[in-house]
This record gives sequence, structure tokens and C-alpha cells, in this order.
Amino acid sequence: AQSVTQLGSHVSVSEGALVLLRCNYSSSVPPYLFWYVQYPNQGLQLLLKYTSAATLVKGINGFEAEFKKSETSFHLTKPSAHMSDAAEYFCAVTLFSGGYNKLIFGAGTRLAVHP
Amino acid sequence: SQTIHQWPATLVQPVGSPLSLECTVEGTSNPNLYWYRQAAGRGLQLLFYSVGIGQISSEVPQNLSASRPQDRQFILSSKKLLLSDSGFYLCAWSPGRYSPLHFGNGTRLTVT
Repeated sequence: AQSVTQLGSHVSVSEGALVLLRCNYSSSVPPYLFWYVQYPNQGLQLLLKYTSAATLVKGINGFEAEFKKSETSFHLTKPSAHMSDAAEYFCAVTLFSGGYNKLIFGAGTRLAVHP
Repeated sequence: SQTIHQWPATLVQPVGSPLSLECTVEGTSNPNLYWYRQAAGRGLQLLFYSVGIGQISSEVPQNLSASRPQDRQFILSSKKLLLSDSGFYLCAWSPGRYSPLHFGNGTRLTVT
């Protein structure tokens, strides 16, 4: 069965520092993987997606993620954190069933950025 | 372009009262539709999904129900709310099997 584990429920970085949010997945089939961001009291916004093409995926707001099959990982990175990056981040894997797909989410990582 | 609307944005309801949350999608046809709930400390839980009018699948047994009376309308309901129904409810849509989900802005429900 598909599942996602996000390591670290809270991550704190300084402005300008590297952001690394960890995600490991479990899937019995080649996975489709996603990262979403959620700002307070808002819905989830798609940051980037991996759908079996290039293993290094670039997303919005300077974020990128690398799919590593050998490590079953899909970690999210950004070279230089900005104050506006403070939010909660969710990794998700697709579960296919019939004619539709369901997203299975990790528990989320709250990113704090301090001056 | 496609847009998704959810309302209301916030709602405070007493225990035992009914509930109706509405979600509509514009700019697409025959979307897959989803209701998720986000409760404190419990992450995102899929409640219902629908692949077409009148076709509803439930993920977990609970006090809630869903309906899809029109192609791009998805409604979440309850006859009698419980305290445990409090949370942040998110509607989402997907154009197809290999596409990501796109979320609405959510409804914050507080049951008192």
C-alpha cells in the first residue's frame, strides 16, 4: 500500500539558509509524488509534481525536489529561504484505483523562517 | 482557466445541528471531486470522492455524507453535528487519473 513519511514535524531555518524538507514514500507501483504548501487558514497549493519523467523536478517559488528510487525519497529543497516560505508543507503519493486517483498525504512539516 | 469555490469560509455550529458545505468547480467538465478533512494533529484525511454525478465513495464511516447533484458541484452534509466534526474541510478536484489535485480555500468548522 502507498504511504508517505515526512521526517520532522517542525523545521526552523534562518533567512537565506538552505531549506531541506524530507519525504520518504512507500509504493508497490511506480509512484506519482507531489509537494503542496499550505499557508494559515488556506487551502493547499501545488508546489511541484513527479510523474516518472525527470528525477529532478522544479516547482514554484524556487523549490525543487529530487526523486531517488534507491532511497524511496522525494526531499524538497530551496537554496535560500525567504520569510514568505514560512508555511506547512505536505508530501503526497498517488494511489490509483479504477478511473480516479487519491492522494495519500504525509503528516506535514511546519517550516519556520527566522531573521 | 479552472477555479474551485468553497463556502462558507468559516462556520460555527452547535452540536446536533445540520451541516451543508458546498463546493463548485468552474472551467472544466466531469472532474474527479474530493472532500478532505484536516483536524488538529491528524493531518489530511480523505472523506469522500466522486468520479461522476451521483457516484460517491466513502473512505471512512462517520457522521457525514456527500452528494454530487451536478457535474461540478459537491456537497458535504450532516444531519446532526458532533464535537468531533470540528476541523478544516477542503474540497479538491482533479481533471484525471494522472493529474494532481487542486484545492479550494477550505471551510473552518467549529462545533460548539
